Amino acid sequence: EVQLVQSGEEVKKPGESLKISCKGSGYSFTSYWIGWVRQMPGKGLEWMGIIYPGDSDTRYSPSFQGQVTISADKSISTAYLQWSSLKASDTAMYYCARPVRGVIRDWGQGTLVTVSS
Amino acid sequence: DIQMTQSPSSLSASVGDRVTITCQASQDISNYLNWYQQKPGKAPKLLIYDASNLETGVPSRFSGSASGTDFTFTISSLQPEDIATYYCQQYDNLPYTFGQGTKLEIK
Repeated sequence: EVQLVQSGEEVKKPGESLKISCKGSGYSFTSYWIGWVRQMPGKGLEWMGIIYPGDSDTRYSPSFQGQVTISADKSISTAYLQWSSLKASDTAMYYCARPVRGVIRDWGQGTLVTVSS
Repeated sequence: DIQMTQSPSSLSASVGDRVTITCQASQDISNYLNWYQQKPGKAPKLLIYDASNLETGVPSRFSGSASGTDFTFTISSLQPEDIATYYCQQYDNLPYTFGQGTKLEIK
């Protein structure tokens, strides 16, 4: 069974850094892309970017390029989403997802990030 | 980026009604379109892939169709458990993009 298990809820202050994680299991982690999706409170789904853990090829949505960093550690089957300096507008639920030829059947449970002074 | 224009943004219907949601792509995406259902506090769930293919285990009252750059999602007979927000998603090109969502409520 494919599972994507995300790290827990985070509460941070503006300007702080953060790295959240998504651990894949039940499949060959290095053979499938992993993407990140943002959902701001009460809003829709936004595609942030995607990484291929096999060679770390990473593609960002233009809206998120330079705002976040997506990475992966294939030795522990884990993908990451990180911020160097959080803003209040980064408050959102973040989902990791495994698209297979573009079709997403597998999602993480979501990580809620709250940024508040 | 490919823009997906989804309508309506919200919809109120009665149990048993036929419900239709549309998505229009800003360019040709072939049939590279999926539909998802999201209930509050949950991750999205795939219902339809490749525009018209019903995902395994999804009730047959859900269906999808395509005509050029216009895509339609239909619930043939609305059930109380269908209350959710529905999203289309294109995967013709990266970055993948979602429609704005349609919040479905019971009248």
